[in-house]
Order: sequence, then structure tokens, then C-alpha cells
Amino acid sequence: AQSVTQLDSHVSVSEGTPVLLRCNYSSSYSPSLFWYVQHPNKGLQLLLKYTSAATLVKGINGFEAEFKKSETSFHLTKPSAHMSDAAEYFCVVSVRYGGATNKLIFGTGTLLAVQP
Amino acid sequence: DAGVTQSPTHLIKTRGQQVTLRCSPKSGHDTVSWYQQALGQGPQFIFQYYEEEERQRGNFPDRFSGHQYPNYSSELNVNALLLGDSALYLCASSPPGPITDTQYFGPGTRLTVL
Repeated sequence: AQSVTQLDSHVSVSEGTPVLLRCNYSSSYSPSLFWYVQHPNKGLQLLLKYTSAATLVKGINGFEAEFKKSETSFHLTKPSAHMSDAAEYFCVVSVRYGGATNKLIFGTGTLLAVQP
Repeated sequence: DAGVTQSPTHLIKTRGQQVTLRCSPKSGHDTVSWYQQALGQGPQFIFQYYEEEERQRGNFPDRFSGHQYPNYSSELNVNALLLGDSALYLCASSPPGPITDTQYFGPGTRLTVL
């Protein structure tokens, strides 16, 4: 069965320092993996997506993630945090049922705080 | 280009009532999925609609039902509301094609059941 585990429920960084949000996945086949961000009282915004074309995926707002099959990891990073990055981040795996049918399975989320 | 839209933004109901939430997918998208996000948790898949039919369902009771219209818009209906149905309900749409894992989310409808 496909699943994702986010290793940290809360991460706090100072503005201008690097961000690392950790995610491990479990999948019986080559997975489609995503990172979504949710700002307070907002919907979910797609940050980036991995679909086996390249192991290093670049997303919006300077975020990137690296797919490491040997470690079953898909960690999200950003070189320099900005105050506007404060939000909840979800690691997500897509589960396919055949054809074009799929559902998304979300991790429990990591709340990122950015200190001035 | 309008993204996924949902209405209403907020809704307050009492136990036992029924509610209908609405979603318009992103332009050009034909598949709509619904998710429930309880406070402090990640979204949980409710069901997915394509060509006006429910083609996949998560672990939700029959009190949760839906509909998709020919213009691809969708409704989520919840009957006999329980306190535990209080949550943010998210609609997501996907573009057509044989391999379309990516889903684009709307802002959600916040349902409060008293």
C-alpha cells in the first residue's frame, strides 16, 4: 500500500536560513509524489511534483525536492527561508486504481514557522 | 484563467441537517475529487467523479454523496450531519488525459456542525 510519513510535525527556522522538511514514502511501484503548501485558512497549493523524469524536482517559490529511491525519501528544501514561507506543508503520494483514476494520500503535515 | 472555485466559503449547520457544497473545476478539467480535512489533520479522500459518475470512493459512509454535471461542476451532499462532520471540505480538479495524477485544489468550504 502507498503511504507517506512526514518526520517532523513542527519545524522552526530563522529568516534567511535553509529549510528542510522530511518525508519518507512507501510504494509498491514507482510513485508520483507531491508537495503541497497550505497557508492559514487557505486551500492547498501545489509546490512541486515528481513523476520519475528527474530525481531533483524544482518547484515554485525557490523550493525543490530530491527523490531518493534507496532511502525512500522525498525531502523538501529551500536555501533561504522567507517570512511568507510560514505555512503547513504536506507530502503526498498518488494512488492509482487503473486508467486515469487516482486519489491522493496526504501525510500528517509539517508546520513551518519562520522567525524574524 | 480561473482556478477551482467552491461555494459557499463558510457554512454552519446543526446535527441531523443536510448540506450541499459546490465546486467548479479549473477550465479544461473534467475530473473532480473531494477531500475532507479535519482540524489539524491532512485531507482525506472522499470520492472522485468523472463523466458524471463516481469512479472511486474513500472510506466514508453513504451519508456522503455527490454529483457531477455535464459542465464538469460537482456537488458534495452530506445527510444527517454529525458533529464529527465539521471540517474543511476541499474540491480538486484534474485535466483530461491517460495519466493525470496532479490535482488542483480550491479554497475549500468550512463546515461547522453545531
